[in-house]
Amino acid sequence: AQSVTQLDSHVSVSEGTPVLLRCNYSSSYSPSLFWYVQHPNKGLQLLLKYTSAATLVKGINGFEAEFKKSETSFHLTKPSAHMSDAAEYFCVVSSNDYKLSFGAGTTVTVRA
Amino acid sequence: NAGVTQTPKFQVLKTGQSMTLQCAQDMNHEYMSWYRQDPGMGLRLIHYSVGAGITDQGEVPNGYNVSRSTTEDFPLRLLSAAPSQTSVYFCASSRAEREVFFGQGTRLTVV
Repeated sequence: AQSVTQLDSHVSVSEGTPVLLRCNYSSSYSPSLFWYVQHPNKGLQLLLKYTSAATLVKGINGFEAEFKKSETSFHLTKPSAHMSDAAEYFCVVSSNDYKLSFGAGTTVTVRA
Repeated sequence: NAGVTQTPKFQVLKTGQSMTLQCAQDMNHEYMSWYRQDPGMGLRLIHYSVGAGITDQGEVPNGYNVSRSTTEDFPLRLLSAAPSQTSVYFCASSRAEREVFFGQGTRLTVV
């Protein structure tokens, strides 16, 4: 069994300040972990993926995430938020290649 | 290279009607799946397929049927639409240990 808990349903930041989106997971197997972003009325775009290589994963648009097995966490960060980062973000866990378990999502708003 | 193509993009159904949501991919991916997205619940897996002729149920399969007669196509059938099936539906495809690609979604309203 696998599941994901995104600890914040909504995060609001000022432009230029850091962003932190928190994610905890559970999985019976060594999981793959992902972060996806969804802009309003758009599809899903992969930000980054962890698959048991380096624990610090760099993604697109300046995002990165750190896998911490002892804490079963996979938090997403960005040093400096941009207005274009306003979107919904999903943490996702998978123990195989075709069954993804999504968190409930975190909505990010960016204040000018 | 079109990726994952879903049709239609929008649909309104009356309760009890049936319809098929189409999904096609041109990347020769063996894995395909259907998810529904509801506010505050993320995406939930409806059905999935690991290859032509092979399908299985996901987390929320009731009220939906699928078939996979070809590698490219994975249609989702609503047998008798209910208001609880109002949602945004996403089709996805992938290959082993590769990125999962999503379609642009179908917004379905059942009245």
